[in-house]
Order: sequence, then C-alpha cells, then structure tokens
Amino acid sequence: DIQLTQSPSLLSASVGDSVTITCRASQAINFYLAWYQQKPGTAPKLLIYEASTLHSGVPSRFIGSRSGTEFTLTINHLQPEDFATYYCQQLNGYPRTFGQGTTVEIK
Amino acid sequence: QVQLVQSGGGVVQPGRSLSLSCAASGFTFRHFAIHWVRQPPGKGLEWVAVVSSDGSERSFADSVKGRFTISRDNSKNTVSLQLNGLTGGDTAVYYCAKDQIAEDFLSIDGMDVWGQGTAVTVS
Repeated sequence: DIQLTQSPSLLSASVGDSVTITCRASQAINFYLAWYQQKPGTAPKLLIYEASTLHSGVPSRFIGSRSGTEFTLTINHLQPEDFATYYCQQLNGYPRTFGQGTTVEIK
Repeated sequence: QVQLVQSGGGVVQPGRSLSLSCAASGFTFRHFAIHWVRQPPGKGLEWVAVVSSDGSERSFADSVKGRFTISRDNSKNTVSLQLNGLTGGDTAVYYCAKDQIAEDFLSIDGMDVWGQGTAVTVS
C-alpha cells in the first residue's frame, strides 16, 4: 500500500502568516493527490484535487503543488477560519490512504 | 441541496455487528461511487471502503477486509456499510462521502460531499 507522510504534525502560526504543509508519497502517484480541511466535530472538506486544482469555492490563498512524490499545500495570508487540521489523500488506485494530518493552530 | 445523511451507529459489544446507512439527495446518486472513511477518537482519517456507481465493484482497506461489507440500492439512493466481527479498533466516527467525478471507480478527483458522520463505539 502507498504510504503518505505529512509534515509537520503541528504548525503554530499567526493570522496573516503563510504556511506550508508537506506530504510525501512512498511511491509514484502521478498527480493523484487531494487535500482536505477538517475542523473539530465536522466532516472533512475537499480543498484541492489533482495536486493543484482548487475545488469550487475554495479561496485562492490555498495553493497545491507537486514535485515528484512530494506534494505541498501552501496557505497564504492565514485567516482565522483556516486554523484546522489538513490531510492529504492519495487517489492512485485502492486502497486509498490519508496522511496522518497537520494541525494548524494559532500561535 | 446536495447532501448525504447518515444513520445507524451506536454502542456495540466486541464481536457483534452493526449497520450504517447513508442516504443521498440533491444529485444523481446512481452515477457516483460512494466511500466510507473513519476517524478514531482524537486520530486521523482512515479510508475504509468504496462501492462503484452501479454496485458492481468494491474495495476495502486491509483492516476491515473480510469483516465489513458495502452495498447500495440505487432505487432508494442509499449505501450501507455492514460491520461484522467488531473490535475496539473499529471504534470511530464513520463518514460516507461521494466521489466528485461521476462514473469513474478510479476517479482521481477526491470526495466532494460528506455525510455528517456517525459514531460507532465497540465496548
């Protein structure tokens, strides 16, 4: 199975900061990666798919990119509503796997 | 609006069974694969299972293979997840979610609509 390693696990930042989350795949998955945002007590929300395509309604401050098997989610100009946990998920066949998550907390 | 509404769940003893249901509305249900994802208390997301749009294909995580089954009824716009042989490791909130792209069991575009989640406690 394909493993996804996210880093860091916890990220402390302030409103207005830019932050970057990394997700490394254990093998090649092309661009078949999605990012989700989850807030406590709620279901995840799709942010980005195909590594860099913004889902409908997601603000442009969320940026996804890929370099080989390393994927990054950058959030520019953090807003109060962006403090949450972020997960990557690989979609290169089954079983689909998630990264372990990165929590972005207020510094 | 487009939504998935979940039911089922609860507290169950180890070794027993439980059924979860996911009812869809607001979109052409029969065109989309449906997934189940779970989240143990305080932990991350784990993909569990998927059923294709017509119900002919399924896949399961190794952790549940042989114990969980997934089915759908396109006439009732519902998907069910049958959980058998439950253990404490199955304690989690379970979410159903639809693929963003229709008619593609191997869709690469993620899951765009999620149910509200339902808690399963094995104790």
